[in-house]
Amino acid sequence: DQQVKQNSPSLSVQEGRISILNCDYTNSMFDYFLWYKKYPAEGPTFLISISSIKDKNEDGRFTVFLNKSAKHLSLHIVPSQPGDSAVYFCAASRNTGKLIFGQGTTLQVKP
Amino acid sequence: KAGVTQTPRYLIKTRGQQVTLSCSPISGHRSVSWYQQTPGQGLQFLFEYFSETQRNKGNFPGRFSGRQFSNSRSEMNVSTLELGDSALYLCASSTDLSSGANVLTFGAGSRLTVL
Repeated sequence: DQQVKQNSPSLSVQEGRISILNCDYTNSMFDYFLWYKKYPAEGPTFLISISSIKDKNEDGRFTVFLNKSAKHLSLHIVPSQPGDSAVYFCAASRNTGKLIFGQGTTLQVKP
Repeated sequence: KAGVTQTPRYLIKTRGQQVTLSCSPISGHRSVSWYQQTPGQGLQFLFEYFSETQRNKGNFPGRFSGRQFSNSRSEMNVSTLELGDSALYLCASSTDLSSGANVLTFGAGSRLTVL
């Protein structure tokens, strides 16, 4: 039972344009959502998070949007840079020591 | 400030063997979690330890076990290895995951190949 899904395995974007990564979840009890970025041969690094009581959180070029009624969140990267090329994982939690991760989306930003 | 350290980084085992992976969390972090990453499956939660106690456990068979020591360092063990256990095993630490956003700091992982 995949409670957190990233339906797009890959995304290719031109440098300077917007990258939009999507994530869907099934459990309405999740209260925190997070995005992690992973480069090859490294562990995932935390990018940005959002509480279920909010619908938007912004940090520099990164913005996460949460649509609770649709059980959908998205990560917007504007403008996209070649260094953003990585695998992006969304994750959800219910205020416990357990994060449920999606399968990941590989973002390629072309110069 | 040193990050999360995992050893070994790479290892090769054969079916039926067992393996022990080690994780040293960030100093001051008392919570340690383990995840398995395989292609197409994302990161699957294995277990989480806090103050030497297992607080959460994922849906993995009993061949997967772990423990945490008084200095917060953690080990996980996989017995009777199967080909499907080939994966990247990631350890992550946090101050405490019982409240607020569960921001984990991950190590680089231990890449296990089972032949």
